[in-house]
Amino acid sequence: SQQGEEDPQALSIQEGENATMNCSYKTSINNLQWYRQNSGRGLVHLILIRSNEREKHSGRLRVTLDTSKKSSSLLITASRAADTASYFCATPHSGGGADGLTFGKGTHLIIQP
Amino acid sequence: EPEVTQTPSHQVTQMGQEVILRCVPISNHLYFYWYRQILGQKVEFLVSFYNNEISEKSEIFDDQFSVERPDGSNFTLKIRSTKLEDSAMYFCASRPTGASSGNTIYFGEGSWLTVV
Repeated sequence: SQQGEEDPQALSIQEGENATMNCSYKTSINNLQWYRQNSGRGLVHLILIRSNEREKHSGRLRVTLDTSKKSSSLLITASRAADTASYFCATPHSGGGADGLTFGKGTHLIIQP
Repeated sequence: EPEVTQTPSHQVTQMGQEVILRCVPISNHLYFYWYRQILGQKVEFLVSFYNNEISEKSEIFDDQFSVERPDGSNFTLKIRSTKLEDSAMYFCASRPTGASSGNTIYFGEGSWLTVV
């Protein structure tokens, strides 16, 4: 089964609008992370939210986590052209110390000027 | 800001050849990872490495793959006999120890491998 599935797969909005991306997962987690990837580049960590947190903010980013629904959302407010990228949620494999991450397929966000 | 560095940025190799991808993790990190991303697809976990041994590996990480930490700074991924389907971007990543960091993993910019 897939862990960390984002929707929508693609999102195109006007600059200045808010962008919301969703992520669903299947197994219990102790945290969930969001990453950004510009085309052809590496993954940049955006924010981590722990299972005992419901909401977290970082600059223009707002992340929510609903463990009862096994879902998370990433909101980017006042979008800018530079926010154009793919956004991935990721969940740890297990509770061990060397946890790898399972990534979703991502949401490709396009901000139109 | 410290970063994970990878070399080469791009490598083209003949099918059947051995390839070594190199990474220098962030200096105080103790957990190391390799991921790959086939063009247009999601990022896939290959292997994690801690305390000089493999901690976890995926089904992708078969006998063709190996990892090594030959000295105190480098972390390498070797593909013994490359196949066309190994063409992908390979990302190295590292994580600091300590509960405060959670599972934040820091990624390099990737090595793009093309097998022809």
